[in-house]
Amino acid sequence: AQSVTQLGSHVSVSEGALVLLRCNYSSSVPPYLFWYVQYPNQGLQLLLKYTTGATLVKGINGFEAEFKKSETSFHLTKPSAHMSDAAEYFCAVSGPWKSSGDKLTFGTGTRLAVRP
Amino acid sequence: DADVTQTPRNRITKTGKRIMLECSQTKGHDRMYWYRQDPGLGLRLIYYSFDVKDINKGEISDGYSVSRQAQAKFSLSLESAIPNQTALYFCATSEGTGVTYEQYFGPGTRLTVT
Repeated sequence: AQSVTQLGSHVSVSEGALVLLRCNYSSSVPPYLFWYVQYPNQGLQLLLKYTTGATLVKGINGFEAEFKKSETSFHLTKPSAHMSDAAEYFCAVSGPWKSSGDKLTFGTGTRLAVRP
Repeated sequence: DADVTQTPRNRITKTGKRIMLECSQTKGHDRMYWYRQDPGLGLRLIYYSFDVKDINKGEISDGYSVSRQAQAKFSLSLESAIPNQTALYFCATSEGTGVTYEQYFGPGTRLTVT
């Protein structure tokens, strides 16, 4: 079984400050990891994903995440927060297709607020 | 036009009523999914379909049913709605070639059961 833990349901940063959203996962197979963002009254949009290869993954809007197998983590970062980054962020895990199909298991989400 | 559309976007219904939420996609994807989102719980999988003839229950399928009318259409039904089915419902799609791909989400349907 797979699971995801997102530490901190609410995170608040100042505009221009570092954004760090934490995600730890549990998986019995090599995980595929995703970060999605949900803006108000919208669906989820993929920010970035890790499947295989390079452990530092760059996504849209200046976000990046690093897969650390030893720490079972996939934290999301952005060097400088912008007001438009205010949204809810979801970490999700999936196993490779042969072992678990396409089923995504989501974390409970972290709502990011950006202060002027 | 949006690749994944959901209708209706908002719905208020009464306890005991049967309702259907519809999802259509123009991405040409084989795989489709229904999730519900509740505050503090994230998204939970209700049903998923890998093609028209392959439909599977997710982690919270009780009280729900689905129909895959075509590759592009996947409907979710609540046979007899109850208040704790009040939630935001999302449809999603992904490619289906035996590799895990990211999922693409619709804009959601906000359902309120009174």
